[in-house]
Amino acid sequence: GENVEQHPSTLSVQEGDSAVIKCTYSDSASNYFPWYKQELGKGPQLIIDIRSNVGEKKDQRIAVTLNKTAKHFSLHITETQPEDSAVYFCAASILTGGGNKLTFGTGTQLKVEL
Amino acid sequence: NAGVTQTPKFRVLKTGQSMTLLCAQDMNHEYMYWYRQDPGMGLRLIHYSVGEGTTAKGEVPDGYNVSRLKKQNFLLGLESAAPSQTSVYFCASSYYGGKSEAFFGQGTRLTVV
Repeated sequence: GENVEQHPSTLSVQEGDSAVIKCTYSDSASNYFPWYKQELGKGPQLIIDIRSNVGEKKDQRIAVTLNKTAKHFSLHITETQPEDSAVYFCAASILTGGGNKLTFGTGTQLKVEL
Repeated sequence: NAGVTQTPKFRVLKTGQSMTLLCAQDMNHEYMYWYRQDPGMGLRLIHYSVGEGTTAKGEVPDGYNVSRLKKQNFLLGLESAAPSQTSVYFCASSYYGGKSEAFFGQGTRLTVV
């Protein structure tokens, strides 16, 4: 089955700096790559996603890049703010009639310091 | 619009006891999922359903059963709880077709002593 590795496990940045989180996946058939943000005591919430037919996607301060050949994808957060502090998860899945069964990375605890 | 609602939010069980976690979604989603989240391991898929009356095994199904008698509800059962099932459980749902986002509930923290 699919295996997703995520690095780093913790990341501390100064407010206003950029943060980058990287993930690799093992199954070349995976075609959907979402990123989730989880705040303490809450469920994961989708912040951005990308499909395998796209190399990059941006939404305001957040961007995701995908390299299908190398089987890795990354989350980029620019101009970080204290409210960006949370745990971030990458995930991969094969979108079919069988649903969106996600395989998650192990998470990155991002801390944005003032 | 409540989204995905899980009941209960917290529960403490003794080893060997049984319980059912309820997930309800009001978005008319076809697909529903149960995940467990353990420290350092991310979220892992337990069981899922592709429609009313269907269920299927995920990555870690042992010790759990599920049922989807109504489209909006997905139940996760523990017949004989074990300490290894201490975890935070998340339910999620998603559309059928091109819009793929999975929406998650707020979680149920279960402790088995």
